[in-house]
Amino acid sequence: QSALTQPASVSGSPGQSITISCTGTSSDVGGYNYVSWYQHRPGNAPKFLIYEVTNRPSGVSYRFSGSKSGNTASLTISGLQAEDEADYYCSSYTSTSTLVFGGGTKLTVL
Amino acid sequence: EVQVLQSGGGLVQPGGSLTLSCAASGFTFIGYAMNWVRQAPGKGLEWVSFIDSSGHNTYYADSVKGRFTISRDNSKNTLYLQMNSLRVEDTALYYCARDLCGGRHCTGGTCYCTTTYYAMDVWGQGTTVTVSS
Repeated sequence: QSALTQPASVSGSPGQSITISCTGTSSDVGGYNYVSWYQHRPGNAPKFLIYEVTNRPSGVSYRFSGSKSGNTASLTISGLQAEDEADYYCSSYTSTSTLVFGGGTKLTVL
Repeated sequence: EVQVLQSGGGLVQPGGSLTLSCAASGFTFIGYAMNWVRQAPGKGLEWVSFIDSSGHNTYYADSVKGRFTISRDNSKNTLYLQMNSLRVEDTALYYCARDLCGGRHCTGGTCYCTTTYYAMDVWGQGTTVTVSS
């Protein structure tokens, strides 16, 4: 159950778009379309952003979108806003009937 | 309001035991699977355990298998995590989280979640567990 690989940090200016990658294996990200994404601000509970790779729950801004190619999933945030500054985590179902998170990516809005 | 309220954290010595609770309100608890997720100090999120809506099927991370037990009392709308043989590395903020349900089967007036998206849509506020001598 090795953690999925995410960049430790990304940054962007307000209005720009950024993409956070999440790399796994054929036993998790590549083998299933059960990738989800979460936003986590320190001191708060994680917020659910994306499920099943691309689906956005009601109430989540259209600026957040997900995709996948092979063993790598991605979260794109468009029209970056100061309030988007947070830690972002991907998660995937695995072949051993467990879930695995990525190591997390700290987003800084410049 | 849909929410889960956690309790039961604290300081425990290595080798000790602790039980966390998570009380659900604002939704039909029996209709949802549940998870526990933790975050060690300075670290990322780590999935710990899953229990289906009936309580019959449970899954664990390798790091806690054989030491932790997830359970639920649907009559009390409460989720539990019994933690035994605690180690220093179990020190973390523990979250309970509702599983996103994709489909249900209803029988005898009770509806159970039969299809999960393996995602977590409602999270508790977290409870701190510190394992230290």
